[in-house]
Amino acid sequence: GENVEQHPSTLSVQEGDSAVIKCTYSDSASNYFPWYKQELGKGPQLIIDIRSNVGEKKDQRIAVTLNKTAKHFSLHITETQPEDSAVYFCAASYTDKLIFGTGTRLQVFP
Amino acid sequence: SAVISQKPSRDICQRGTSLTIQCQVDSQVTMMFWYRQQPGQSLTLIATANQGSEATYESGFVIDKFPISRPNLTFSTLTVSNMSPEDSSIYLCSVGQSRTGELFFGEGSRLTVL
Repeated sequence: GENVEQHPSTLSVQEGDSAVIKCTYSDSASNYFPWYKQELGKGPQLIIDIRSNVGEKKDQRIAVTLNKTAKHFSLHITETQPEDSAVYFCAASYTDKLIFGTGTRLQVFP
Repeated sequence: SAVISQKPSRDICQRGTSLTIQCQVDSQVTMMFWYRQQPGQSLTLIATANQGSEATYESGFVIDKFPISRPNLTFSTLTVSNMSPEDSSIYLCSVGQSRTGELFFGEGSRLTVL
């Protein structure tokens, strides 16, 4: 079955710096890769996604890149702000399901 | 995206009891899923809630422990039966957009079993 690895597990950055979170997946048939942000006490919120026919997608300060050959994808957050502090999960499609990574706790210090 | 409401938002339960979690969606959806998120962990799919038929369970989850109902296209329930402290988790309802594959989550139900 599909396996999704996510690194790092924790990430601390200074406000204004960039943050990068990386994921690898195992099933070459995966074609949909969403990213979720989970704030304390809340459900995961979809923040950006990418499909296998695209190499990069950007939405304001966040971007996602996909390397299908290497089977890895990354989340990039630029000009980080304290409100970006949360747990971020990557996921990869597997048949009709999503398999989630283990999560990255991002802390942005003012 | 759909608006997903879960009840209860949190509960403290005694060992050996059962609790039913409700999930209401503001629009008709084909795909509804139940996930578990153990403290500090990732999201694990419990089952797919199928309208008009039995739920499809993932490996490690069984119907006797996690019975699921899906009476219509906007509502589902998950029951956690005969609870033990190991069942203390956040249980999340999610709905999928069949056209785009996007998955949206409710706020979750935080269960603590004593």
